[in-house]
Amino acid sequence: DAKTTQPTSMDCAEGRAANLPCNHSTISGNEYVYWYRQIHSQGPQYIIHGLKNNETNEMASLIITEDRKSSTLILPHATLRDTAVYYCIVRVRDNYGQNFVFGPGTRLSVLP
Amino acid sequence: NAGVMQNPRHLVRRRGQEARLRCSPMKGHSHVYWYRQLPEEGLKFMVYLQKENIIDESGMPKERFSAEFPKEGPSILRIQQVVRGDSAAYFCASSSDRQYSGNTIYFGEGSWLTVV
Repeated sequence: DAKTTQPTSMDCAEGRAANLPCNHSTISGNEYVYWYRQIHSQGPQYIIHGLKNNETNEMASLIITEDRKSSTLILPHATLRDTAVYYCIVRVRDNYGQNFVFGPGTRLSVLP
Repeated sequence: NAGVMQNPRHLVRRRGQEARLRCSPMKGHSHVYWYRQLPEEGLKFMVYLQKENIIDESGMPKERFSAEFPKEGPSILRIQQVVRGDSAAYFCASSSDRQYSGNTIYFGEGSWLTVV
């Protein structure tokens, strides 16, 4: 199963871009990269996902390297409300289908 | 369009009692997942269900825990004879179709179980 590696924690100044890296060097060709975040005491929130092209939505941008071995989630203008744990997940395909396996994630602190 | 609804949000049980957690998936979703998050720990997959079927229960503890998703009504996660170690946040998620690997799961706000 493909696994991901993320830094344990990061800081970002309010109003600046937050760039959260993720390594997934064993990803398979048909596996997607997903990002979720979890604000304290809330349920995980879907942010964005992609296969090989860069993706952008109202929350963030996802940049996937050409070899697909790593990706970066970009929050263009971080606010204090973006303080959360961010999870990078590669969709695991097993005999039953697809489950999301959450690692420890990156704890992003947005500082005033 | 209502999201994934979980209830109760908070539940207190004495040791040895039963806990029932309910999850109504998003409209149009027929796949439900349960995750557990122990205090200061990460999310752990427990079980994946479709209507009337358990597809993957590889993350469920072997005893006292069960889950169902009946043809009508919400999915239920049942914990019998609760112990203090069951105190955790239980999150439900749903998705529409597992045929496509790009499908997304959406989470509810969780049910916080405290065993006293």
